[in-house]
Amino acid sequence: QLQLQESGPGLVKPSETLSLTCSVSGASITSSGSFWGWVRHPPGKDLEWIGSVSYDGTTYYNPSLRSRLTITADRSRNEISLRLTSVTAADTAVYFCARDRGHYDIDQWGRGALVTVSS
Amino acid sequence: DVVMTQSPLSLPVTLGQPASISCWSSQSLVHSDGNIYLNWYHQRPGQSPRRLIYKVSNRDSGVPDRFSGSGSGTDFTLKISRVEAEDVGAYYCMQGTHSPGAFGQGTRLEIK
Repeated sequence: QLQLQESGPGLVKPSETLSLTCSVSGASITSSGSFWGWVRHPPGKDLEWIGSVSYDGTTYYNPSLRSRLTITADRSRNEISLRLTSVTAADTAVYFCARDRGHYDIDQWGRGALVTVSS
Repeated sequence: DVVMTQSPLSLPVTLGQPASISCWSSQSLVHSDGNIYLNWYHQRPGQSPRRLIYKVSNRDSGVPDRFSGSGSGTDFTLKISRVEAEDVGAYYCMQGTHSPGAFGQGTRLEIK
């Protein structure tokens, strides 16, 4: 059974870098046709697709975050990671790791990790 | 970017009664490959979202048949034929036809 587990600091200071890791079990992130990415849910706002990395290492980013965002895949550990630089309070959200079957077809979600940006 | 709009945002329903949620997109969701990439998700309080419906009308494994999806072009609907207590929570539509993918604002279903 596929499981996605987010981990990382729950509190980040403004202007610093938000870093999260998603450990994937029950499936390989190199499985053909699969995409692995991140969605966030700021309090009181809409869910927002952040970006993803495909089975072959190609990355796809939301244009609104592209200048601050890096998503990487570690095939040896079967993990993906998210780095978001120069964070502000607007980046406070629950961050979900997710499997995407293509065309943003998210069929599996992690439990989510709350990240608060505050000094 | 495509904007997804849902209605209503709040939906009080009596147990056993039907419920319907509408979702509109600012652009047609018909992809050049002929598919419509429109999904519905349900999120119970304190849980992560769960996919209910994919590509407009396909129910996920384990999803009760009281849930159904329909629509075309820019207008889509999720229907629950008879609401049960476990159906409370937020429902989101999401389009995947155009980049970037985008969610609706969510509809919060509660039991009257």
